[in-house]
Amino acid sequence: ETGVTQTPRHLVMGMTNKKSLKCEQHLGHNAMYWYKQSAKKPLELMFVYNFKEQTENNSVPSRFSPECPNSSHLFLHLHTLQPEDSALYLCASSQDEGGRSYTFGSGTRLTVV
Amino acid sequence: QQQVKQSPQSLIVQKGGISIINCAYENTAFDYFPWYQQFPGKGPALLIAIRPDVSEKKEGRFTISFNKSAKQFSLHIMDSQPGDSATYFCAAAYSARQLTFGSGTQLTVLP
Repeated sequence: ETGVTQTPRHLVMGMTNKKSLKCEQHLGHNAMYWYKQSAKKPLELMFVYNFKEQTENNSVPSRFSPECPNSSHLFLHLHTLQPEDSALYLCASSQDEGGRSYTFGSGTRLTVV
Repeated sequence: QQQVKQSPQSLIVQKGGISIINCAYENTAFDYFPWYQQFPGKGPALLIAIRPDVSEKKEGRFTISFNKSAKQFSLHIMDSQPGDSATYFCAAAYSARQLTFGSGTQLTVLP
């Protein structure tokens, strides 16, 4: 158990569906991140939250909508996705935004059909 | 703009051999260089990290070599084992900024 739990592990959704990814950390960290992992590409930072406040939106399309109700939980709401959005979505946390040690969850494998 | 370039994309090594993965960076402000290891079905996990004030750091069979003038750093895995088969990511960060990751290297260690 890494201390960062992501659900669901796998998700298949149609382009007109609305779904949400959930991330929960039990480490007492204050910063949480969403990353997109596509094959043979660098991990792409999507969003950063520090003490529940969004501090970075890395030019992510509006069809991805993050929510951070508290320092332990992070959601990624999905709607009208495209097939190219199919990827592994990773959540990570660190002590704070300047923290150097990230703890990652196991990810949600998303397939858009 | 890819600030951290990683090579090779894939690597196959015999058991007991040395695995070497290289990374080059562009931003001279980077002051922290970690390596992450990712097994299938898992998220990346911190393996070892180095700061630019040292040229080498060793933890067990894993060594980071750092060349500040060349803006390069590498991961060496000595006596590679099949259990080391995974994807390895280098990364870099500066000040209080987030990590910037390389594109990953898929390592296969043959028994």
